[in-house]
Amino acid sequence: DQQVKQNSPSLSVQEGRISILNCDYTNSMFDYFLWYKKYPAEGPTFLISISSIKDKNEDGRFTVFLNKSAKHLSLHIVPSQPGDSAVYFCAASAQETSGSRLTFGEGTQLTVNP
Amino acid sequence: NAGVTQTPKFRILKIGQSMTLQCTQDMNHNYMYWYRQDPGMGLKLIYYSVGAGITDKGEVPNGYNVSRSTTEDFPLRLELAAPSQTSVYFCASSETRPKTLEAFFGQGTRLTVV
Repeated sequence: DQQVKQNSPSLSVQEGRISILNCDYTNSMFDYFLWYKKYPAEGPTFLISISSIKDKNEDGRFTVFLNKSAKHLSLHIVPSQPGDSAVYFCAASAQETSGSRLTFGEGTQLTVNP
Repeated sequence: NAGVTQTPKFRILKIGQSMTLQCTQDMNHNYMYWYRQDPGMGLKLIYYSVGAGITDKGEVPNGYNVSRSTTEDFPLRLELAAPSQTSVYFCASSETRPKTLEAFFGQGTRLTVV
């Protein structure tokens, strides 16, 4: 049962344009969502997060939007830069789970073309 | 400023051999995790620990064992390696709710079982 899904395995955009990465979840108990970025041969690094009490969180070029009724979140990168090329993972956590452990999506490979 | 350190970075095992993947963190985090990532897939939780002496199973614990004798160290033991355990393994640590759920990851261990 895939509780967090990223339906687009890959996305290609032009430098300077907007990148939109999507994520859907099924578990209504999830109350905290995170995006991670991963370069080849490195561990994932935290990018941005959002609590379920909010619908938007912004950090520089990165904005995460949460639509709880649709159980959908998205990551917007504006403007996109070649250095943003990486795999992006969506992750979620539920308040009641022991260890605050995260459930990850499959990842989306973003390629930003110069 | 090491963060989460994993050793080794690469390893080839023969079927039936055993090994221990080492993980240590210097951030005094109570929570630690072991994930595996298979090609094209997200990160799956193997085991986690909420503090020294306390461990619990994640989604895919079969074939693995862990221990947590100190806050810093969380080794993962593979007994009787099988080809299905060929994967990239990530160790992570985090603080506890409500501070943050951001998990810090190590660089990963690429394991091949032949």
